[in-house]
Amino acid sequence: NAGVTQTPKFQVLKTGQSMTLQCAQDMNHEYMSWYRQDPGMGLRLIHYSVGAGITDQGEVPNGYNVSRSTTEDFPLRLLSAAPSQTSVYFCASSLQRGGSGANVLTFGAGSRLTVL
Amino acid sequence: GQQVMQIPQYQHVQEGEDFTTYCNSSTTLSNIQWYKQRPGGHPVFLIQLVKSGEVKKQKRLTFQFGEAKKNSSLHITATQTTDVGTYFCACRAGGYQKVTFGTGTKLQVIP
Repeated sequence: NAGVTQTPKFQVLKTGQSMTLQCAQDMNHEYMSWYRQDPGMGLRLIHYSVGAGITDQGEVPNGYNVSRSTTEDFPLRLLSAAPSQTSVYFCASSLQRGGSGANVLTFGAGSRLTVL
Repeated sequence: GQQVMQIPQYQHVQEGEDFTTYCNSSTTLSNIQWYKQRPGGHPVFLIQLVKSGEVKKQKRLTFQFGEAKKNSSLHITATQTTDVGTYFCACRAGGYQKVTFGTGTKLQVIP
């Protein structure tokens, strides 16, 4: 069981470039989400999904797109990178139903993005 | 929208001293979770509280959920260097799928 896998671990972009952060989980979790972590700001929700084909916005969705074509994958797309998007990005997933494990978030190792 | 405040932002303690972090929500919560993030790592689940006034213990860690289900605390007795990290509360209100994290408390333990 790999858990939640994020790629890449590190990325440097120039302003205006686009890229996709990948997130995959092998735990059959219905719920998947993306957070960004900035110093003093905690973890802020960007987008989330409760199942394949269903996505919704979090607190800070501007400049990011997501899709959920399969249960396993939840990529995060930066359309036109800006320096304000320099951050550490975490993908997290959880079961939605069933027992004590429901709603417990399992995080990936993170992707550190720098936009110059 | 839901506001979650966590205090203090930083705490330095001597090894063996106690430590407490507090989490306060602007709305009534359906449950609250606590996570720990080691330096350079990712958040890891510690515990979930669901019931009003609930108290749970994990070895030296004690977690409380307020009677009004709008606040929570994490208390560590006799800190050790292995307790170093940032502690986050994560709040879920009503039937919402969104989880709102507190800003975290960064704990440094001085040997």
